[in-house]
Amino acid sequence: AQSVAQPEDQVNVAEGNPLTVKCTYSVSGNPYLFWYVQYPNRGLQFLLKYITGDNLVKGSYGFEAEFNKSQTSFHLKKPSALVSDSALYFCAVRAPKLSFGAGTTVTVRA
Amino acid sequence: EAGVAQSPRYKIIEKRQSVAFWCNPISGHATLYWYQQILGQGPKLLIQFQNNGVVDDSQLPKDRFSAERLKGVDSTLKIQPAKLEDSAVYLCAGGGLAKNIQYFGAGTRLSVL
Repeated sequence: AQSVAQPEDQVNVAEGNPLTVKCTYSVSGNPYLFWYVQYPNRGLQFLLKYITGDNLVKGSYGFEAEFNKSQTSFHLKKPSALVSDSALYFCAVRAPKLSFGAGTTVTVRA
Repeated sequence: EAGVAQSPRYKIIEKRQSVAFWCNPISGHATLYWYQQILGQGPKLLIQFQNNGVVDDSQLPKDRFSAERLKGVDSTLKIQPAKLEDSAVYLCAGGGLAKNIQYFGAGTRLSVL
């Protein structure tokens, strides 16, 4: 059975500091991994995905994620966070249907 | 291009009543998904359509939930009768399998009193 874990309910950072949102997964075979972001009263928006290839994936709004097969992780990162990055972030794995983690609330303070 | 349209945005009903949600995905998206997102949790897949056929409804509570996509375009999700635990946001998403990306609507927030 596939599963996704986001170990932190909340992440708080100051604007301009690096942002990391953690995700670990469990799936049989090669994983398809995704990050989505959800702003209040909005649907989920796709940020980036890993299917195959380079372990460092670049996505929208300056976000990137690193796939680590040995640690079964797919952490989301941004070198310099903005206040506008404050939102709810979901990690997901597709094998074959999309399963989401519980989400991590990111708050970036000015 | 237009996004995924969902209506209504909000719905408040009493338990044992019926409710229906509507979704129109992005034009050309053959795959359509309905998700249930309970507060504090990630979205959970209820049903997946490919055109007008059901691909996966293994997590749909079929004694009270039903969904259809008769013409392979828009879709309706119905709950009859509703229970308190059905209070959630119901998200619709569409996508093409080739890109592995799903495009979500803003959702319908259901409150069952």
